[in-house]
Amino acid sequence: EVQLVESGGGLVKPGGSLRLSCAASGFTFSSYSMTWVRQAPGKGLEWVSSISSSNAFIFYANSVKGRFTISRDNAKNSLYLQMNSLRVEDTAVYYCAREGIGVAEVYFDYWGQGSLVTVSS
Amino acid sequence: SYELSQPPSVSVSPGQTARITCSGDALPKVYAYFYQQKPGQAPMLIIYKDTERPSGIPERFSGSSSGTTVTLTISGVQAEDEADYYCQSTDTTNTHVVFGGGTKLTVL
Repeated sequence: EVQLVESGGGLVKPGGSLRLSCAASGFTFSSYSMTWVRQAPGKGLEWVSSISSSNAFIFYANSVKGRFTISRDNAKNSLYLQMNSLRVEDTAVYYCAREGIGVAEVYFDYWGQGSLVTVSS
Repeated sequence: SYELSQPPSVSVSPGQTARITCSGDALPKVYAYFYQQKPGQAPMLIIYKDTERPSGIPERFSGSSSGTTVTLTISGVQAEDEADYYCQSTDTTNTHVVFGGGTKLTVL
C-alpha cells in the first residue's frame, strides 16, 4: 500500500525557516517524480515544487522560487522541502504527492495527509 | 501566468447530473486532471488524461474535452459526492503545474 507521511510542520515567525519531510513507502520511491502542493486555510490547491526521480529536474512556483528548496534522498525514501524567509502568506497545509507515470502527463495519484505550517508573529 | 477557470459552485439534487467545467488556453495541447477533496481530507485523483478514470473510482464520474474546456460529469449524483473539485493541468512545457480555483459541489 502506498503511503506518504509528512512531518516537520509547526508555528514559525515571519522570516524564519522550517524543513518539511515526507516519508514514502509501498512503492519504488526512486522511480517516481514527487511534488509539494499547499493549501492555505479555506483556499484552493497551489502547486509549490516538483522534483524528478533522479534529481535531474526541479521546478518551483514563482511564489516560492528563491526561498524554498526541494530535495530527495532515494536511499531513505524521503522527500524534503526546506522553507526559508517564510511569510505570513506561506501559511498552509503542505501535501506531499506522488506523480503518476506517463509521457507528457503530470498528475498526482497519491497524496499524504498534509502538514500544517503556520507563519505568524 | 497560466490559469485554469472553474465555476466557484455547482448545486444539484440527488440523482441529477452535475457538470463542472475547467477552461484554459493550453487545454487543447495538454491533459487535464480532476481531484475530489472532502473536508479534512487530502485530494483524490478521479479523472486523468481528460477522460480516464483510475481504478476504484465509480463509473458515474466521467470526463470530456472540447477545445479549451474540459468537463467533469457526475451522473446520478449521490450525497457522498458533496465535495470540492479541482482541475489541474500544466503549462505547455510541462514544467509548471496549475490548479483551477476549485468548485464546491453541493447536493441539495
